[in-house]
Amino acid sequence: GEDVEQSLFLSVREGDSSVINCTYTDSSSTYLYWYKQEPGAGLQLLTYIFSNMDMKQDQRLTVLLNKKDKHLSLRIADTQTGDSAIYFCAESPTTSGTYKYIFGTGTRLKVLA
Amino acid sequence: SQTIHQWPATLVQPVGSPLSLECTVEGTSNPNLYWYRQAAGRGLQLLFYSVGIGQISSEVPQNLSASRPQDRQFILSSKKLLLSDSGFYLCAWRPGQAYRAFFGQGTRLTVV
Repeated sequence: GEDVEQSLFLSVREGDSSVINCTYTDSSSTYLYWYKQEPGAGLQLLTYIFSNMDMKQDQRLTVLLNKKDKHLSLRIADTQTGDSAIYFCAESPTTSGTYKYIFGTGTRLKVLA
Repeated sequence: SQTIHQWPATLVQPVGSPLSLECTVEGTSNPNLYWYRQAAGRGLQLLFYSVGIGQISSEVPQNLSASRPQDRQFILSSKKLLLSDSGFYLCAWRPGQAYRAFFGQGTRLTVV
């Protein structure tokens, strides 16, 4: 079945790097995604990675994908207080007849000034 | 450009009352549509998804139902709300299977 897991909380100091980890079970997803949710708001796509890539860098964001271990991570360099939010990883299994878009439990990132 | 509308933004309803949350998408046709619930302190749970008019897939047994009466309209309903139905409900759409999802701003439902 499909299952996406994340640690629930992460606390870092402003200026440090944050690393948010995610594990998933279905390896058929074409893309894997990272979303950000600020308090009381919907989800905004942060970045995504194609499943045949190992790494993708986008300004302060670095996504690492280990397909063998089904592990995805998001690194935020020089974390700022504005980065405090809940971060969700998501996969979209492409197994036949499935149109699901599965999210992890979300990691609440708290950035300390 | 495509936009997604979800309303109302907040709702307080008594236990046992009915529910109807509406989501509409503009600027696209035949989107895949989704309803998610985010309970307090918990992750994002997929409730329903739809790949076409009248086609609804339910992910978890619950007190809720969904309908898609038109191509770009997705409705979440309940005949009698329970306290456990409280949460943040998000509607989303995707243009295709291997593509990102776009989210509405959510409805915060409090059942009292």
